[in-house]
Amino acid sequence: EAGVVQSPRYKIIEKKQPVAFWCNPISGHNTLYWYLQNLGQGPELLIRYENEEAVDDSQLPKDRFSAERLKGVDSTLKIQPAELGDSAVYLCASSWSPGETQYFGPGTRLLVL
Amino acid sequence: RKEVEQDPGPFNVPEGATVAFNCTYSNSASQSFFWYRQDCRKEPKLLMSVYSSGNEDGRFTAQLNRASQYISLLIRDSKLSDSATYLCVVSLYNTDKLIFGTGTRLQVFP
Repeated sequence: EAGVVQSPRYKIIEKKQPVAFWCNPISGHNTLYWYLQNLGQGPELLIRYENEEAVDDSQLPKDRFSAERLKGVDSTLKIQPAELGDSAVYLCASSWSPGETQYFGPGTRLLVL
Repeated sequence: RKEVEQDPGPFNVPEGATVAFNCTYSNSASQSFFWYRQDCRKEPKLLMSVYSSGNEDGRFTAQLNRASQYISLLIRDSKLSDSATYLCVVSLYNTDKLIFGTGTRLQVFP
């Protein structure tokens, strides 16, 4: 069974540029999560979807970050404009339903110069 | 104060050693508890859930002390392949939001 797929795996951009990350969850998983992981820290939840509905986006910095999961399957996370402090690993995870085990993708490593 | 606190380590131990990690959590409403493993530059993976009665999976034993709000992980007979960062994770009652600690780095040497 394929795991959570994320692309790109690495991204280097200059500050003030936009950037987008894509995630395809495990087939059949209704719940999708985006996490941010800074160096030396644990992942922190940015947003959680149940199907196409964002049910928890309280930690998403809405001035520059946006996310969508239009058809309740794959999802895109966008930053516009990127800042130096956004350099981190952006992890996507999915689960069958809320409360079930979350499976993480390999992440996208973002470097903002 | 962080919601989940761990000693970042690193813990450097020889093969065959027994090593223990502790973690404390601040919210008494925490309901579910886990240890995740994260290899260098890889994604976190669930190692085991933690129950009040304690649970064991091969060389790994996890314990939960609700009264003191701490969780432990014991690794016996350490292998080189156990070298990784171990993340302590809790979720609050009636949510599936995972709250991660900073992780404890383990390095097993020959």
